[in-house]
Amino acid sequence: GAVVSQHPSWVICKSGTSVKIECRSLDFQATTMFWYRQFPKQSLMLMATSNEGSKATYEQGVEKDKFLINHASLTLSTLTVTSAHPEDSSFYICSARSGGAFEQFFGPGTRLTVL
Amino acid sequence: QKEVEQDPGPLSVPEGAIVSLNCTYSNSAFQYFMWYRQYSRKGPELLMYTYSSGNKEDGRFTAQVDKSSKYISLFIRDSQPSDSATYLCAMSVAAGNKLTFGGGTRVLVKP
Repeated sequence: GAVVSQHPSWVICKSGTSVKIECRSLDFQATTMFWYRQFPKQSLMLMATSNEGSKATYEQGVEKDKFLINHASLTLSTLTVTSAHPEDSSFYICSARSGGAFEQFFGPGTRLTVL
Repeated sequence: QKEVEQDPGPLSVPEGAIVSLNCTYSNSAFQYFMWYRQYSRKGPELLMYTYSSGNKEDGRFTAQVDKSSKYISLFIRDSQPSDSATYLCAMSVAAGNKLTFGGGTRVLVKP
């Protein structure tokens, strides 16, 4: 099956700093990537959808200037959490889809802890 | 009210038992219905998907969709300890569209 990786898998940062999370499709071209966040014992909430070469589409309530998403190539999307605060601590998961394919393939997630 | 409701569990069953999971939803526009399995601190993996109403079987897994009742189910036969995980239902209006997830049900299969 298709493989999606995320890096780092775990990051701790100080409040006020920025953190970048990478999402890579390893064996297929991801024309669309999705970013989710998941709080403990809660479901995945879609943050934004990005198509390669286009600006990301953010879900209602998600701050565009705080969660910067870049999808510059068909295999890489990045999520940058700017000026992170403790309330941004969460599990961030990306998924990727190729062309008109139905299935999204999920990465293993990145656990962000902001002190 | 959430668009997709799912009992959080935990649901504890003995090995070999049938696990029964379900979700209800409010958006009648949903056409695609999926079940994902998520192990702790991992990303979800797709188990099954169904288009519109009906049943679908794959090995030990059976998915059912009743659009008239806005109710979907997943059954796991002959459950194994390795089935212990959180099971998430997800739905979308069209193929490839954004997914709306339920809250997940934690399942524990005891040897």
